[in-house]
Amino acid sequence: EVHLLESGGGLVQPGGSLRLSCAASGFTFSNYALSWVRQAPGKGLEWVSTISGSGVTTYYADSMKGRFTISRDNSKHTLYLHMNSLRAEDTAIYYCAKGYFGVLDNLDYWGQGTLVTVSS
Amino acid sequence: QLVLTQSPSASASLGASVKLTCTLSSGHSSYAIAWHQQQPEKGPRYLMKINSDGSHIKGDGIPDRFSGSSSGAERYLTISSLQSEDEADYYCQTWDTAIQVFGGGTKLTVL
Repeated sequence: EVHLLESGGGLVQPGGSLRLSCAASGFTFSNYALSWVRQAPGKGLEWVSTISGSGVTTYYADSMKGRFTISRDNSKHTLYLHMNSLRAEDTAIYYCAKGYFGVLDNLDYWGQGTLVTVSS
Repeated sequence: QLVLTQSPSASASLGASVKLTCTLSSGHSSYAIAWHQQQPEKGPRYLMKINSDGSHIKGDGIPDRFSGSSSGAERYLTISSLQSEDEADYYCQTWDTAIQVFGGGTKLTVL
């Protein structure tokens, strides 16, 4: 059974940094792309970033480019999101999700999310 | 520009059927999409992928009450025999070179 468990969220001041983690199990980790998707309070889902199974290829939403960095450690079955220069509008629940087949494909499993609050 | 359009809300009675629509932007009518369900205070759950020919691949454990179809640039999610736990937000998702896109979501109310 596929499990994705996010951690690392919390309260951070504007301009600060945070690293989110997503521990995965139940599938051959290095074979699948993984994504981060966020949801601001009361809003819809917003794609943040995707990384290929090997970690070589990464994609970012325009508003996150240059501030966020996605990475993965295939030996630890863990996905990361490094977030810098955080703004109030980055406040959201951050979900990790597994890709179905290709690097950019439908997402077929989701974690429960971790809440990031950017506030002074 | 790749955009998915969904109606903000829908409603139907307990035991009835409802058909939700996700519309692909002009020039993208051949794209596949995926439907995801988000019950209150929970993370999203993958329901199914729908191809332009209407064929679909369901996620693990998704009941037969959930089905998908396609017509032109529209992709549909039909839920039959509505149950109270179907009251949720439903999002469609698609992808292209270097980008993933979500629709704005449809809030389904079961009356």
